[in-house]
Amino acid sequence: DAKTTQPPSMDCAEGRAANLPCNHSTISGNEYVYWYRQIHSQGPQYIIHGLKNNETNEMASLIITEDRKSSTLILPHATLRDTAVYYCIVRVLAANAGKSTFGDGTTLTVKP
Amino acid sequence: DGGITQSPKYLFRKEGQNVTLSCEQNLNHDAMYWYRQDPGQGLRLIYYSQIVNDFQKGDIAEGYSVSREKKESFPLTVTSAQKNPTAFYLCASTNGGPAGEQYFGPGTRLTVT
Repeated sequence: DAKTTQPPSMDCAEGRAANLPCNHSTISGNEYVYWYRQIHSQGPQYIIHGLKNNETNEMASLIITEDRKSSTLILPHATLRDTAVYYCIVRVLAANAGKSTFGDGTTLTVKP
Repeated sequence: DGGITQSPKYLFRKEGQNVTLSCEQNLNHDAMYWYRQDPGQGLRLIYYSQIVNDFQKGDIAEGYSVSREKKESFPLTVTSAQKNPTAFYLCASTNGGPAGEQYFGPGTRLTVT
């Protein structure tokens, strides 16, 4: 699985958009970009994933650059409950595809 | 309700003892994973299993052992050989559907003194 690089921490004002970047310059053609978040002392929660097109769901939007070497997770109107550690990982889609490696993630703090 | 259960939530052991952490899923997922998380750090992969009766080492397998005798169960044993066993342990399984996302259990916090 390709390695990802994320900033260790970010702040965001409540109600504003939170833009979390992720670099994955060694991503392979069949690897998807996944985003998860972990609220303190809980198991991580899936947010969104994508291959090369931008994706949007009820939680967030995912913007993937044309060369697929980086992506940005966007929380359009951050709330205090969005304060969490956000993980960007890359792996193939298949259920039993093998290793699924998480890094240290980005700690997002949403401030009033 | 479908999901992943880990028990117990908190576990205390004396140094030198082996301890087994439970992970059960009723999601009919083939692949299961064990991760370790230390305070302020990310998740590190211990072991994973893609199918029953098969498992592979992750990045930090030393001092741990697993078994996968049933599709729904993937117990992790923390042996006395693990130098720093105190940590938060997370179990996950992977969905074979369109999203292929991982589902995580609530975790077990192990303290060894």
